[in-house]
Amino acid sequence: AQSVAQPEDQVNVAEGNPLTVKCTYSVSGNPYLFWYVQYPNRGLQFLLKYITGDNLVKGSYGFEAEFNKSQTSFHLKKPSALVSDSALYFCAVRDMGGDYKLSFGAGTTVTVRA
Amino acid sequence: EADIYQTPRYLVIGTGKKITLECSQTMGHDKMYWYQQDPGMELHLIHYSYGVNSTEKGDLSSESTVSRIRTEHFPLTLESARPSHTSQYLCASSERDRGYDEQFFGPGTRLTVL
Repeated sequence: AQSVAQPEDQVNVAEGNPLTVKCTYSVSGNPYLFWYVQYPNRGLQFLLKYITGDNLVKGSYGFEAEFNKSQTSFHLKKPSALVSDSALYFCAVRDMGGDYKLSFGAGTTVTVRA
Repeated sequence: EADIYQTPRYLVIGTGKKITLECSQTMGHDKMYWYQQDPGMELHLIHYSYGVNSTEKGDLSSESTVSRIRTEHFPLTLESARPSHTSQYLCASSERDRGYDEQFFGPGTRLTVL
């Protein structure tokens, strides 16, 4: 079985401050990990993914995420948040040894205030 | 331009009506998926397809059905809509069977059943 937890329903930060969105996962084997962003009335957009190798993954719009196997975490980060980063963020996992279905977290709403 | 399309974007119908939600992609992807996004915003996989003439049920039980007669087309049908079907439906596709390929999402169809 595979699952994802996003412990924070909402994250509020001021523009220019660092942004972190937390994600922990559970898989039987090794994980493929993904971050997606959803803007209002839109579908999900892919931000970045971890497959293997370097634990720090860089993605679109200045976002990055750090894979930590011992803590089973894959937190999304941005050094300096923008108002336009306000959106709903989803973490997702797939077990390398399992089938090809993704399991999504419940989502975290990020609000960046000017 | 390669993309994934969903129509209609918004649909309000009465109980008992038959509806079909359309999903088409021009990326030549083999794998396609339907997700239901509930009011809490969590995504649940309801159907997926590995290719033409392949359809599988997802993790969330759904009264809807799907078909995959052409690679680019993956419609979802509800024979008799009920208020409990009110939700957002997201279609997605991915390129190959490698497990770490990201999914590309359409803009979604927001369905309201009165």
